[in-house]
Amino acid sequence: SAVISQKPSRDICQRGTSLTIQCQVDSQVTMMFWYRQQPGQSLTLIATANQGSEATYESGFVIDKFPISRPNLTFSTLTVSNMSPEDSSIYLCSVEDPEGEDTQYFGPGTRLTVL
Amino acid sequence: EDKVVQSPLSLVVHEGDTVTLNCSYEVTNFRSLLWYKQEKKAPTFLFMLTSSGIEKKSGRLSSILDKKELFSILNITATQTGDSAVYLCAVPLPRDDKIIFGKGTRLHILP
Repeated sequence: SAVISQKPSRDICQRGTSLTIQCQVDSQVTMMFWYRQQPGQSLTLIATANQGSEATYESGFVIDKFPISRPNLTFSTLTVSNMSPEDSSIYLCSVEDPEGEDTQYFGPGTRLTVL
Repeated sequence: EDKVVQSPLSLVVHEGDTVTLNCSYEVTNFRSLLWYKQEKKAPTFLFMLTSSGIEKKSGRLSSILDKKELFSILNITATQTGDSAVYLCAVPLPRDDKIIFGKGTRLHILP
């Protein structure tokens, strides 16, 4: 398994501002993932972040809105830019299983509220 | 199109009851199925199932996979209020390095 920390755990932000969420894992992993979970919905993958390359975004998500950094094998950031109330969600990072199994392990999540 | 469908979407039972949560899937090149428990924010991993008919068990929770009928069930016996959560079923897509999630079953245990 992997131990993942994420911060902030929650934030309340004003419309038009940006927030950067940090994700730290206790072991080196190639693939990290960022998800969004809107109220009452399941998890939606925003992008996959591999160290040393540009993040791969899913349909409906763009780099200008959700820039991602992956400077090393244990850390990633997701920025939610120019926020609107529709961005109010839980944001979760996850990592591939360090031992190569199919599962992913999730960070504790960031609850974002945009006023 | 790959998909994962969970049922029921919500369930309310009394403490001590046994519940069965269902997950069906249609996925190309299926390899494994995952169950997570989500309380508050973060999903926590419960089981990974790869073989048909082999039950995975952890305390009062157990799960089994049927690769012929393309479904899995998660059983919780002698439920407790602490079992209240959303239970997510997910199937990895190895070719894409992604996981697709079902919508989840929201389970509420009444004292």
